[in-house]
Amino acid sequence: LAKTTQPISMDSYEGQEVNITCSHNNIATNDYITWYQQFPSQGPRFIIQGYKTKVTNEVASLFIPADRKSSTLSLPRVSLSDTAVYYCLVASNQAGTALIFGKGTTLSVSS
Amino acid sequence: GAVVSQHPSWVICKSGTSVKIECRSLDFQATTMFWYRQFPKQSLMLMATSNEGSKATYEQGVEKDKFLINHASLTLSTLTVTSAHPEDSSFYICSARAGTSGRAVNEQFFGPGTRLTVL
Repeated sequence: LAKTTQPISMDSYEGQEVNITCSHNNIATNDYITWYQQFPSQGPRFIIQGYKTKVTNEVASLFIPADRKSSTLSLPRVSLSDTAVYYCLVASNQAGTALIFGKGTTLSVSS
Repeated sequence: GAVVSQHPSWVICKSGTSVKIECRSLDFQATTMFWYRQFPKQSLMLMATSNEGSKATYEQGVEKDKFLINHASLTLSTLTVTSAHPEDSSFYICSARAGTSGRAVNEQFFGPGTRLTVL
């Protein structure tokens, strides 16, 4: 399974856009890039997934360059409630494939 | 979206006793469920893959005789921590793949977790 590298922590203020970049140099052809969010003492929650180019949903955007060796999660206008740990994961689309979590990025949003 | 529940949400037990944690997919069937363990300030660590009707596959370093996994139906997997010791105190989280119910390829839904404290 591809290993991911992302910053350990980031700080931001309310209303700002936050971009978290993840490196996955050994990503395979069948791998998708997925981001999860986790609040303390809760299970992770799906944010967004992409394969290439750009994906946008109601909470975030995901930018993936052509070589797919990295990806950037973009959170527009963060609020205090976005303070959480964000995990970038790379996994194949095969059924039954487990998700292997890296260290994640702890985002702290201040007022 | 698909919902995964866990029971209990927290449990305190004495050293040497066994504790069973249930993981249920409430509105979908899951042939495969996963069990993770998370220590404070650390990431989730995959413990095992639970397959309905067959033996679980354990990750390297996870004792299969200590962490018993049973996946007897398409909506229920259980993790039993046998002869628990204080070092087993952790946050245990299960997940299940929702098949076509998810919004994304191989999307997995996570339970709310179970906090185990062994005295």
